[in-house]
Formats: sequence, structure tokens, C-alpha cells
Amino acid sequence: SQQGEEDPQALSIQEGENATMNCSYKTSINNLQWYRQNSGRGLVHLILIRSNEREKHSGRLRVTLDTSKKSSSLLITASRAADTASYFCATGGEYGNKLVFGAGTILRVKS
Amino acid sequence: SAVISQKPSRDICQRGTSLTIQCQVDSQVTMMFWYRQQPGQSLTLIATANQGSEATYESGFVIDKFPISRPNLTFSTLTVSNMSPEDSSIYLCSVLAGVETQYFGPGTRLLVL
Repeated sequence: SQQGEEDPQALSIQEGENATMNCSYKTSINNLQWYRQNSGRGLVHLILIRSNEREKHSGRLRVTLDTSKKSSSLLITASRAADTASYFCATGGEYGNKLVFGAGTILRVKS
Repeated sequence: SAVISQKPSRDICQRGTSLTIQCQVDSQVTMMFWYRQQPGQSLTLIATANQGSEATYESGFVIDKFPISRPNLTFSTLTVSNMSPEDSSIYLCSVLAGVETQYFGPGTRLLVL
């Protein structure tokens, strides 16, 4: 079964707006990762947040993690048309454990 | 991070045939993985490719259908055997860089007619 569930399933915004995607998971984790996938191509690793971290930034990306609620959010600020993609959260992966992916959020940024 | 390439990038195949997908990494890595992404779905791990030994398959995936080779620390192949239209998917390899992060190749988009 999937570890992570994401919402919304799809999100459409105007360029310049912020986009927020949420991910929930079921079991305890060591870390949580976010990936981007453009047009059914390969996945690009965006950011990893460890279980002892609450917030992490990378450029226009901000990720939060609430282990008490077993949830994470990805915020993309000042979105661009190039941010149009599918975004997946994934848990596991450390030390060769398998990554378990959420269902993903399809983001469309309209210019 | 690691630079990963896959061949072919896409293919259209007839049912009953087999396709071998190659994954090449620009540096030696201990662990390589193969994932499947069915249309409109998320990614599911097929197997872990072990260097020098048989691959470790996830539940629902078997060696006869998805034989995997890992001859060295930079290369692996996945074969999709006796294909049916249900095998139409994107197949992605990934590698573990360090101890926490998996990086993915560009994927192979397969359509089975």
C-alpha cells in the first residue's frame, strides 16, 4: 500500500502565485523526500527533510514536516510556468530501503 | 548526486516480445533500483539490483517476467519479458547516493500494442 497520500490531486494556479501541496504518511519515518516529474519523464530530487527537522528551504521551495500529524507540505513561492509538473512525496530510501511514493499532485501554472 | 542515463528513452513493442532497458551511472554506486510507473499512477519498486547476486524482487514482481542484471557498480539492465499491453508503463532506474537520497534516470516509456 502507498505510504504517502497527497492532496490536492491537481492544482491549477496563475504564474506568480504560491502553490502548496500536502502529503500524509502512515508509519514512522527517518526522512521524507519530495520529487518533481515533468511530463512523464524522470524524477528530479527536490529536497529531503529528516524526521528531526521541522522546516527546510531550498530556493523557492519550503518544506515542512509534522511528525506528530504524520504530514508534510511543499510550498512553491512565486510560481513559474516551468514549475508545471507532477510532485511526489516519498518516504524511506535510506540505507537502500525502498522508497514508497505518494499518489502525487499535478501542478499546472498558467502564464 | 549521480548522472544516470537510460536506453532506450521510449519504445513501441508488440505483445509477446521482450525489451531490455539499460541503466548507466557516471560513478560507482552500491545500490541500484528499478521502478515502474503505470499510466497516471505513482511509482512502484520492482526490484533492487544487486551486484554479483540475484536481484531482490518486491511482492508481485517475479524474475521470470522482469529479469535483472547488474554486472558491475555502474550498470544494470531490466528486461520486460513476454510483454502484454498491461506492461505499458514508464520504467525508471534509480541509484542510492550516500545513505539517504535516491536519484532517478530519465525513464523509459514503453508502449505495448
